Amino acid sequence: AQSVTQLDSHVSVSEGTPVLLRCNYSSSYSPSLFWYVQHPNKGLQLLLKYTSAATLVKGINGFEAEFKKSETSFHLTKPSAHMSDAAEYFCVVSYSGGYNKLIFGAGTRLAVHP
Amino acid sequence: NAGVTQTPKFQVLKTGQSMTLQCAQDMNHNSMYWYRQDPGMGLRLIYYSASEGTTDKGEVPNGYNVSRLNKREFSLRLESAAPSQTSVYFCASIPPGGRTEAFFGQGTRLTVV
Repeated sequence: AQSVTQLDSHVSVSEGTPVLLRCNYSSSYSPSLFWYVQHPNKGLQLLLKYTSAATLVKGINGFEAEFKKSETSFHLTKPSAHMSDAAEYFCVVSYSGGYNKLIFGAGTRLAVHP
Repeated sequence: NAGVTQTPKFQVLKTGQSMTLQCAQDMNHNSMYWYRQDPGMGLRLIYYSASEGTTDKGEVPNGYNVSRLNKREFSLRLESAAPSQTSVYFCASIPPGGRTEAFFGQGTRLTVV
């Protein structure tokens, strides 16, 4: 069965330090992978996506993620956190079949401290 | 181009009341979805519609019904609201072809008292 595991429910960093949000997936074939961000009381915004092209994917606001098939991971990173990055982040796997099925991770809440 | 529009944004219901959440997209997408978001659980699929005229159950369909009125509109109905249905509801649409991201509405925050 397909699944997505976000390894940390909460991550806290200081402004200006690196961010690492971890995501592992299980799949019997190559999926598409996404990271979405949700700011408080807002909808979901796409940060970046992997769809079988380059394994290192760059997104908006300085975020990037690397697809590692051997580790079934798709971790999200940013070199230097900003206060505005405080939000909840969702790792999402998409499988195409009769319909586009999305599997969401439980989310990681990122706190950024001055 | 508004994308995906949900109404209402907020709603408070009493237990046993009914209501319909509306969703419309103007991107000519075939697939539309309803999710609910609860703390610590990510988004869970309630119902989806792969194309106009078809609907299917997702992960958590109990207590809900849907209607795919036309290609643009996909509504979610709670016939008899329960406190367990207190949640944030998101509508989404996905372009055809696979390997593409979903486009989400802004959400409906529903409280059932």
